[in-house]
Amino acid sequence: NAGVTQTPKFQVLKTGQSMTLQCAQDMNHEYMSWYRQDPGMGLRLIHYSVGAGITDQGEVPNGYNVSRSTTEDFPLRLLSAAPSQTSVYFCASSTTQFAAGENTGELFFGEGSRLTVL
Amino acid sequence: SQKIEQNSEALNIQEGKTATLTCNYTNYSPAYLQWYRQDPGRGPVFLLLIRENEKEKRKERLKVTFDTTLKQSLFHITASQPADSATYLCALVKAGNMLTFGGGTRLMVKP
Repeated sequence: NAGVTQTPKFQVLKTGQSMTLQCAQDMNHEYMSWYRQDPGMGLRLIHYSVGAGITDQGEVPNGYNVSRSTTEDFPLRLLSAAPSQTSVYFCASSTTQFAAGENTGELFFGEGSRLTVL
Repeated sequence: SQKIEQNSEALNIQEGKTATLTCNYTNYSPAYLQWYRQDPGRGPVFLLLIRENEKEKRKERLKVTFDTTLKQSLFHITASQPADSATYLCALVKAGNMLTFGGGTRLMVKP
């Protein structure tokens, strides 16, 4: 199993450009999410999805769009990149959104995508 | 406002000693708390879950405590090894709410 695969690993954009960060998982997880990680700020939730066709906003959604057309894929789109979006982005998936019963709610993370906006 | 605080300064300890990391929170009543390990340039990896009605959880050399009165979780690594050097993140969730992460504490275990 590949787990959670993110592409690209590194990207440099100019202000105003758009791009899509790709995320795919092969564990048949219903829950998928995108986080950004900045020094001293911890991981902050951008958007999440509890299943194909269902998405919702997290803590810091502005400037980002998502869609979930299949269980496997959850791309993150930057519509018009800004320097404030320079960050490391992580995609994560889980069997469910929350821990319940025997389920620990364990998040499986990708290796990250480092984005620099000039 | 709600806060999750982990010591932002690195914790340096000698191999073989017990490492203790702290996760403090305010204005939360978390249903559960998770701990993750993150190595440089990698994604976090899940270690342990502890629920609000549990005081302690163990897994091999790892022990987590959860004190809802003090609003604190302690993460212990006994007989620490250089391979335990990493950043450790705590994450909390309130019932029906989002999982929220602390900023992490870097642990350095010296041989």
